[in-house]
Amino acid sequence: QSVLTQPPSVSGAPGQRVTISCTGSSSNIGGGYDVHWYQHLPGTVPKLLIYGNTNRPSGVPDRFSGSKSGTSASLAITGLQAADEADYYCHSYDSSLRGSVFGGGTKLTVL
Amino acid sequence: QVLLVQSGAEVKKPGASVKVSCKASGYKFTDYGFNWVRQAPGQGLEWMGWISTYGDNIHYEQKLQDRVTMTTDASTNTAYMEVRSLRSDDTAVYYCARAMGAAIACDIWGQGTMVTVSS
Repeated sequence: QSVLTQPPSVSGAPGQRVTISCTGSSSNIGGGYDVHWYQHLPGTVPKLLIYGNTNRPSGVPDRFSGSKSGTSASLAITGLQAADEADYYCHSYDSSLRGSVFGGGTKLTVL
Repeated sequence: QVLLVQSGAEVKKPGASVKVSCKASGYKFTDYGFNWVRQAPGQGLEWMGWISTYGDNIHYEQKLQDRVTMTTDASTNTAYMEVRSLRSDDTAVYYCARAMGAAIACDIWGQGTMVTVSS
């Protein structure tokens, strides 16, 4: 079990908006450590979607956005597309573990 | 073009060791360190550790630190990760990923190396 908790699955219809939560504690997200998000499509390499809580690397559409508040962070995806169907992971640092941690991952299904 | 190219798939017996390489190109090697991440079949991503460019600063995941060694060779722009005393639950795809620090995002990933541990 990861110290960063994500819902196992979320779903939405094409064009809709979905959010994926990442809940931590005072030793990671709540301790001021940045949260990053990755998209992992089957058979491919994980792709960085959001870094430093809210920043998008060049080339990532603005349909993807990140936020952070207290001990939690969220990834929002608007205008859902079939191509967005993938696993999504949050990533942060934990001072108690003295290392990085990934959330358990959330499988996004586009209905 | 920034690339991380990893070594090929490995099949090992329980108790053996495996060493995965990750060769970097297209950027200044000394500006970044490396995270190593693995994904067992049907499971999520698991952080294994981070190593600085010259290997003078290393953070290992606590459960793995007795069996894992990470190194770098700046003369060949290559990072290495060795796992000893392999068990069946070490079967996974192993990734190297570029990152400036253990708390920093992984912006470029290697293609992954499948390591299968089976008797």
